[in-house]
Amino acid sequence: DQQVKQNSPSLSVQEGRISILNCDYTNSMFDYFLWYKKYPAEGPTFLISISSIKDKNEDGRFTVFLNKSAKHLSLHIVPSQPGDSAVYFCAASVMSGTGTASKLTFGTGTRLQVTL
Amino acid sequence: DGGITQSPKYLFRKEGQNVTLSCEQNLNHDAMYWYRQDPGQGLRLIYYSQIVNDFQKGDIAEGYSVSREKKESFPLTVTSAQKNPTAFYLCATQRWQGGGYGYTFGSGTRLTVV
Repeated sequence: DQQVKQNSPSLSVQEGRISILNCDYTNSMFDYFLWYKKYPAEGPTFLISISSIKDKNEDGRFTVFLNKSAKHLSLHIVPSQPGDSAVYFCAASVMSGTGTASKLTFGTGTRLQVTL
Repeated sequence: DGGITQSPKYLFRKEGQNVTLSCEQNLNHDAMYWYRQDPGQGLRLIYYSQIVNDFQKGDIAEGYSVSREKKESFPLTVTSAQKNPTAFYLCATQRWQGGGYGYTFGSGTRLTVV
């Protein structure tokens, strides 16, 4: 059962425009969400995160929006740059009651291509 | 400079052989994880360890084994029982990053069965 879903395997956007990557989840217990960026043959790198007490978090060109009622989050990249071309994974976790670390569940990824 | 070292970067295995993938960290993080990446399937959890001398199976543990004898090291053995071992393997540690726990990943090991 895929608890975190990225329904768009790929996305192509022109340089300078907005890129919007979407992610849906089914487990209502998830309360912390992250986006990772991955280049081929490299490990993913952390991009931005949001906890369930917020609905928006912004870091430079990257903004993550969380809609808890719809169990949906999105990553906005504005403006998009050629170096943003990569695979983007969303991930979710459930914070344990003791505040200890818990595993992340990943989506299948969206390949973003930023064209000139 | 702190980080996670995965070795080797590329590994070739013959049918029926066991191979061990190394993951070493100097970040002093307690929790460590192994994932595999296959095209179109995202990252799937193989094994994880929250503390030394303890580990748990993930979603696809069959055909794999791990050990956690020291904090810095979490090696993954791909056994001959793993029917489709060709994949990109990622090791990660977990840390508090404000608001929740996130991962730091190694650079990965590409395993190919020949």
